[in-house]
Amino acid sequence: NAGVMQNPRHLVRRRGQEARLRCSPMKGHSHVYWYRQLPEEGLKFMVYLQKENIIDESGMPKERFSAEFPKEGPSILRIQQVVRGDSAAYFCASSPPVLGVASPLHFGNGTRLTVT
Amino acid sequence: GESVGLHLPTLSVQEGDNSIINCAYSNSASDYFIWYKQESGKGPQFIIDIRSNMDKRQGQRVTVLLNKTVKHLSLQIAATQPGDSAVYFCAENSGYSTLTFGKGTMLLVSP
Repeated sequence: NAGVMQNPRHLVRRRGQEARLRCSPMKGHSHVYWYRQLPEEGLKFMVYLQKENIIDESGMPKERFSAEFPKEGPSILRIQQVVRGDSAAYFCASSPPVLGVASPLHFGNGTRLTVT
Repeated sequence: GESVGLHLPTLSVQEGDNSIINCAYSNSASDYFIWYKQESGKGPQFIIDIRSNMDKRQGQRVTVLLNKTVKHLSLQIAATQPGDSAVYFCAENSGYSTLTFGKGTMLLVSP
């Protein structure tokens, strides 16, 4: 009964390096969402994906950030040329196919990115 | 812009008391609301949800109340326990099942 799996749990990168965060949704879930959380703040929506499609990326910074959810394998959130301001917890959530009725998102335990 | 927010950043209660956590929202088009609990180092955990066609929903020890007239949402926890200590977020559905989160209320339960 695996939930949403994220790895790595902790990631340290120097400024200018690339960060790759992975997320495997719950079994049977085909929708993935990425959120960012700064210390003592709420979660901020970044991007919503289905298999091979980006549905909504309105919360994603225009530069350096990208996300994908390939036909096979986990969803990947990629941050190029990281800066200290990218340090945060990044959470992935998944949901079953949306059939016109909203349903709760199920979250993983996040990846904590630290940029030194 | 429209957002979800909370009235109290920290709530301290004694074990056994009832807790009430409040949330105000401003998007009158929102039709689905969720309460999440987040413990340190973990992701948000679903507690209870409510749709806009209801004004009350009960779960195990928790009740969510929705007042659409004043755009207010509350989470009531009965007989609060130390294990309930966490940060609680309300969230509203803002299309495509994406959620807009409030800033959170920390609940501290003293034995």
